Amino acid sequence: KNEVEQSPQNLTAQEGEFITINCSYSVGISALHWLQQHPGGGIVSLFMLSSGKKKHGRLIATINIQEKHSSLHITASHPRDSAVYICAVRPHASNAGGTSYGKLTFGQGTILTVHP
Amino acid sequence: DSGVTQTPKHLITATGQRVTLRCSPRSGDLSVYWYQQSLDQGLQFLIQYYNGEERAKGNILERFSAQQFPDLHSELNLSSLELGDSALYFCASSVTSGGRTGELFFGEGSRLTVL
Repeated sequence: KNEVEQSPQNLTAQEGEFITINCSYSVGISALHWLQQHPGGGIVSLFMLSSGKKKHGRLIATINIQEKHSSLHITASHPRDSAVYICAVRPHASNAGGTSYGKLTFGQGTILTVHP
Repeated sequence: DSGVTQTPKHLITATGQRVTLRCSPRSGDLSVYWYQQSLDQGLQFLIQYYNGEERAKGNILERFSAQQFPDLHSELNLSSLELGDSALYFCASSVTSGGRTGELFFGEGSRLTVL
């Protein structure tokens, strides 16, 4: 079993629909990232969470530390939201050198396609 | 534009060869992280450098090495290349102080094809 599991793996929606992508993880973490990767490859960091909820435009990310679960919501989806969404967790620091902010374990990604 | 620059964007080479990928972090960021994204393994953390020193290591093969120079740019060296090394290689840098501590900024990636 992977340490980070995302669901669904593929998601197709019509423009305007409300979308939810889920991420479950099995290790103790200090932060969770939601990333977006468009065709062509570039990765953009959408959110970094350690508790609660964050909102940016039509995107909302929530995390429940006790349940080891996070969700990414997209309201009023649009074709330009079509991308791969990747959940990544930063395990608790285990090295004597301190926190390594980018030492992440990644989910397999969710491919979102939004049709007009 | 994330402020992280990677070169080259595309690279095609043959098995057994050696290549060097270059990354310039955002101005002021001391940490550089390297990741590999392949079709079968997905995204994996390879290695981190902080202010010129190796800070953390992930699933990096012995054929691969990296370094960070005094001007903070980093290079990832891949040698004795195999077909399975074909992948997208990303570099990222992080904010290390203030309210955005831990936020990551990714480069556009270098696509390596080994024939």
